[in-house]
Amino acid sequence: GDSVTQMEGPVTLSEEAFLTINCTYTATGYPSLFWYVQYPGEGLQLLLKATKADDKGSNKGFEATYRKETTSFHLEKGSVQVSDSAVYFCALKIQGAQKLVFGQGTRLTINP
Amino acid sequence: GAGVSQSPRYKVAKRGQDVALRCDPISGHVSLFWYQQALGQGPEFLTYFQNEAQLDKSGLPSDRFFAERPEGSVSTLKIQRTQQEDSAVYLCASSLVLAGGYNEQFFGPGTRLTVL
Repeated sequence: GDSVTQMEGPVTLSEEAFLTINCTYTATGYPSLFWYVQYPGEGLQLLLKATKADDKGSNKGFEATYRKETTSFHLEKGSVQVSDSAVYFCALKIQGAQKLVFGQGTRLTINP
Repeated sequence: GAGVSQSPRYKVAKRGQDVALRCDPISGHVSLFWYQQALGQGPEFLTYFQNEAQLDKSGLPSDRFFAERPEGSVSTLKIQRTQQEDSAVYLCASSLVLAGGYNEQFFGPGTRLTVL
């Protein structure tokens, strides 16, 4: 079945450090890929997306590239801030389907 | 404009009780989704509506779970005879339906259900 595997957390970094959160997927069809973020006390929000191979999604300094050959969609940010502390979820949606399939989430804490 | 709202935000039930969780989607959003998020896990799909039609209920874990959206707007997720394993956050999401392209799902804050 379709599934998403994320890097286990929690991840703790210092401000201005480089961030990578790994995400790989298994899909029976051709998926669109997403990163969602859940800030403390808030609901899930779409952070970025990519709908086809080699697409790069970007938002708020975060980037992720859809790599079909490695079935990956790793999230990166060059210089993290304390305000980036949140739980990050990688997700996929198969073409023609409506539901999202999520990974287990990675909790990120940024220390000043 | 208002986002997706859910009520109650917190619900404590004794094992065996029935509960009803409400979702108010964004006005004009045709699609509505329910997800279950266990502690420390990602959301898992439960069911999906397009207007009042329940098009996919493959994620409902048992026949104790029932969802409805009778007028194509507000939706209710009902859990009968609650069990401890039903304890989770229940998320509702809504989206527009556009011809082609991607329809972003907008999530509500969730209802945290604790079954004692």
